[in-house]
Amino acid sequence: ETGVTQSPTHLIKTRGQQVTLRCSSQSGHNTVSWYQQALGQGPQFIFQYYREEENGRGNFPPRFSGLQFPNYSSELNVNALELDDSALYLCASSLDWEDGYTFGSGTRLTVV
Amino acid sequence: GENVEQHPSTLSVQEGDSAVIKCTYSDSASNYFPWYKQELGKGPQLIIDIRSNVGEKKDQRIAVTLNKTAKHFSLHITETQPEDSAVYFCAASKGRMIKAAGNKLTFGGGTRVLVKP
Repeated sequence: ETGVTQSPTHLIKTRGQQVTLRCSSQSGHNTVSWYQQALGQGPQFIFQYYREEENGRGNFPPRFSGLQFPNYSSELNVNALELDDSALYLCASSLDWEDGYTFGSGTRLTVV
Repeated sequence: GENVEQHPSTLSVQEGDSAVIKCTYSDSASNYFPWYKQELGKGPQLIIDIRSNVGEKKDQRIAVTLNKTAKHFSLHITETQPEDSAVYFCAASKGRMIKAAGNKLTFGGGTRVLVKP
């Protein structure tokens, strides 16, 4: 059984650019959630996808968007990057919308 | 929305001693309370969880207690070992009650635990 895989592990972008982060769910999981974790803080919920549809969204602006594909992998897209977007972005998968999450190791995004 | 407060922010214990981390939550509709351990460079790893219909749960050296009336829950680690050193997060969610909201987790601010040999 594979875990949650995220790519890339690190990247550096310039303010105003766009970025796409990718996540492969744990085998058998059809729900993907994305979290943003600023340095020294707890993760904050961005949104969740269940069977390719958005199923809940946190307090993030529309420039944060996502997709879930038929194989349940997912993308997080952020447009018009701002310096405050620098954070660890975590993907978590689960079966249906049950409680048990499995987190990936995250993508460390630095905006300069 | 839900708000989760976690204390202390840092905790230093001697190897073999116990560690206790406490969290409070604001939304009485929350019914699922997991604890995660995060090591440097890794994502959070679920170590134990508890649902609102249970007051206490134990798994080897780790236990969690829940007081629904007071809206607080605690993590207890006994016989601490150096490998317990990490950042621990509590979280709360409404679980399966409201599908449209997803089962989003609201996390506390974290506790950095250092176990000194």
